[in-house]
Amino acid sequence: DAGVTQSPTHLIKTRGQHVTLRCSPISGHKSVSWYQQVLGQGPQFIFQYYEKEERGRGNFPDRFSARQFPNYSSELNVNALLLGDSALYLCASSPPGLGLRNEQFFGPGTRLTVL
Amino acid sequence: GDSVTQMEGPVTLSEEAFLTINCTYTATGYPSLFWYVQYPGEGLQLLLKATKADDKGSNKGFEATYRKETTSFHLEKGSVQVSDSAVYFCALSEATNAGKSTFGDGTTLTVKP
Repeated sequence: DAGVTQSPTHLIKTRGQHVTLRCSPISGHKSVSWYQQVLGQGPQFIFQYYEKEERGRGNFPDRFSARQFPNYSSELNVNALLLGDSALYLCASSPPGLGLRNEQFFGPGTRLTVL
Repeated sequence: GDSVTQMEGPVTLSEEAFLTINCTYTATGYPSLFWYVQYPGEGLQLLLKATKADDKGSNKGFEATYRKETTSFHLEKGSVQVSDSAVYFCALSEATNAGKSTFGDGTTLTVKP
């Protein structure tokens, strides 16, 4: 089975622009989470979506938004990009029946560089 | 809020040496605890997990025990290999939702032949 996939792999934007990152979860997974990993730090939780509903939001400004589609894929949108938004953006999916098998599976990430 | 503190790196060991990476946490309730590994240019892979006090997670020779009394989840391996060189992250989540996890800052391990 395919793992979590993300696109694009790399992206270069300039300050003030908008970016959309995409994620496809493992087949059968209904939960998708987004994390930001700045160089030299651990991932920081941005959003979680489960069954197309926002289930949690981390401490990020309103410039960050996300959504989940009926096929459980997800998009992360970031408006008015700042230099500090440069990071690896990770997507993770979790098996159905949260609590029965409490783990998540990560994609390879999208490397965003803001110039 | 929840937090995870890992020992600062980088850690450099010779092949077959014993490895310990310390991890302590602060959380309300009874979190699940995880160790993830990240190889260069890749996403995170789950290495092991523990879901309740005194549970021992193990995988590929790595072990960690959930110690509630010391709020710790230290990672150990008896004999490291060059292929273990990577960044290791300790993390916690709610007991029923790994999809909203809090991570430490990671510890870089380099194993020399």
